[in-house]
Amino acid sequence: EDQVTQSPEALRLQEGESSSLNCSYTVSGLRGLFWYRQDPGKGPEFLFTLYSAGEEKEKERLKATLTKKESFLHITAPKPEDSATYLCAVEKYGNKLVFGAGTILRVKS
Amino acid sequence: SQTIHQWPATLVQPVGSPLSLECTVEGTSNPNLYWYRQAAGRGLQLLFYSVGIGQISSEVPQNLSASRPQDRQFILSSKKLLLSDSGFYLCAWSIGGIGETQYFGPGTRLLVL
Repeated sequence: EDQVTQSPEALRLQEGESSSLNCSYTVSGLRGLFWYRQDPGKGPEFLFTLYSAGEEKEKERLKATLTKKESFLHITAPKPEDSATYLCAVEKYGNKLVFGAGTILRVKS
Repeated sequence: SQTIHQWPATLVQPVGSPLSLECTVEGTSNPNLYWYRQAAGRGLQLLFYSVGIGQISSEVPQNLSASRPQDRQFILSSKKLLLSDSGFYLCAWSIGGIGETQYFGPGTRLLVL
């Protein structure tokens, strides 16, 4: 069965303290792995798509990487405005996404 | 550019009442459309998806139904709401094809009392 597990469930960082979020998955025939950011009470905002092991993508303080079984979202020198829930999803047959439960990130100044 | 709208933003309904949530997409043609539900502290669960007008696929058996009367309009309905229908409902669109990104609307917060 297709499954996506995110860890940790919650993460508290001081401003400037770099860290990583993990997304492990089991899916037959990965078609794409997606990272989204979700602010409270809002819809998810697209961040990255990764398609194959070894691929990396960057956007400001965020960098996403992909291996055959997991993806990492690295946050370098985070700021309070990076506080949000980060969601990982994998695409299965028929353009359907399977989402993890998310990691709640809080960055304190 | 493409935009996606959902309304209402918030809804409080009594148990047993009907439901209609609407989603519309602008700036694209023949999109794939999706309805998700997000329970508190949990990931998004796919409820329905549609690849064209009148074409609806259901992912989980439930008290809800979906319809696509126009190319860029997607409606989520219920004849009688249950307490368990409470949650955050999100509509999304994509252009279809393998690995294409889904873009989400602002969501509707539904509370069934």
